[in-house]
Amino acid sequence: AQTVTQSQPEMSVQEAETVTLSCTYDTSESDYYLFWYKQPPSRQMILVIRQEAYKQQNATENRFSVNFQKAAKSFSLKISDSQLGDAAMYFCAYRSRSGGTSYGKLTFGQGTILTVHP
Amino acid sequence: GAGVSQTPSNKVTEKGKYVELRCDPISGHTALYWYRQSLGQGPEFLIYFQGTGAADDSGLPNDRFFAVRPEGSVSTLKIQRTERGDSAVYLCASRDRNTGELFFGEGSRLTVL
Repeated sequence: AQTVTQSQPEMSVQEAETVTLSCTYDTSESDYYLFWYKQPPSRQMILVIRQEAYKQQNATENRFSVNFQKAAKSFSLKISDSQLGDAAMYFCAYRSRSGGTSYGKLTFGQGTILTVHP
Repeated sequence: GAGVSQTPSNKVTEKGKYVELRCDPISGHTALYWYRQSLGQGPEFLIYFQGTGAADDSGLPNDRFFAVRPEGSVSTLKIQRTERGDSAVYLCASRDRNTGELFFGEGSRLTVL
């Protein structure tokens, strides 16, 4: 079974600064997806960024980028030019690429609360 | 609708009562997932539907929990004889068949007194 670990329960950053959220995972599979989701107080999980394990290039979405280290099973999220609207709970998640009865099922980490100070 | 809709948004019930939580997925999404999120934790998988059938129900904690999706669209999560430990946010998601991306609703917060 896969596990996802986020070792930072809380992080804080000043507006306009950069912050990095950490995530490690454990799997015996070679092909999979990794995700970062944002959960604001509305409770809706919003996809921030996605990385396919077979791609060596790190994914980037505007101010959000990842550092994917497959051998180390590490997947960190960097938020540049932090904005007040970035404040939320952030979850790292794993999904197998293989099909079968569990296709699409996500395994989440415990989450990191991000506070952005003006 | 435009997004995944979940009702009720909040539900308070007494220990031992029966509750139903409803999920209306994005139109055309055949895959639907239920997750449970306890306070301060990440969501945990409960059950996955492909069409009308439950393809994977390995996450249901015990036989008090049951889910249906009779017409392959709306799904209902049913909890019998609720316990205080069932208090959590229950999230529903549906999957875009082209991109594989999951779209989540805003969840139903269940509080068992």
